[in-house]
Amino acid sequence: KQEVTQIPAALSVPEGENLVLNCSFTDSAIYNLQWFRQDPGKGLTSLLLIQSSQREQTSGRLNASLDKSSGRSTLYIAASQPGDSATYLCAVIPLGSSGDKLTFGTGTRLAVRP
Amino acid sequence: DGGITQSPKYLFRKEGQNVTLSCEQNLNHDAMYWYRQDPGQGLRLIYYSQIVNDFQKGDIAEGYSVSREKKESFPLTVTSAQKNPTAFYLCASSISYEDGYTFGSGTRLTVV
Repeated sequence: KQEVTQIPAALSVPEGENLVLNCSFTDSAIYNLQWFRQDPGKGLTSLLLIQSSQREQTSGRLNASLDKSSGRSTLYIAASQPGDSATYLCAVIPLGSSGDKLTFGTGTRLAVRP
Repeated sequence: DGGITQSPKYLFRKEGQNVTLSCEQNLNHDAMYWYRQDPGQGLRLIYYSQIVNDFQKGDIAEGYSVSREKKESFPLTVTSAQKNPTAFYLCASSISYEDGYTFGSGTRLTVV
């Protein structure tokens, strides 16, 4: 059974700091990995999708990397801002699944202090 | 703009009532999903549908029912058989499961 873990569970940083969120998964046979952001009481917003053949994706101040062999992904946020405060979730789709096996991580709650 | 619309945003249910949560998408996605989110438990799959007129149970389908009569619509009914329905419900869609998921803004259901 695929298990996805995110470390740290919570993080508080001052504005302007560069930071890294970690996501690890137990089964490296995946179709893709997706990073989401969730604001309190809101739905999930997709940030980045990394296909299994890719090693990284970038969008603005965000960069996500994927190392399937080690079962790890990192989300790098450059020059953090208070507006980045949210919970960040990673999710993986295992190979051979039929859409019912999207497995979410436990999430990292980020607070960026002004 | 294309997206997923969930309604209502807040819903209150009395004991013994059935309620229906709406999910509509204009992304022309084939697959649609319903998740339940509880504090400290993450997201759990209730039902999913990969094509019109077909749907499959997820991990926690008991007490819920769905229909998929149109490609753009995937309503979820929370029946009186669901003993602990208070939760945040999220609808999602994808072109196919390999292509990433798009989520709606959620419906918060509370039993009163």
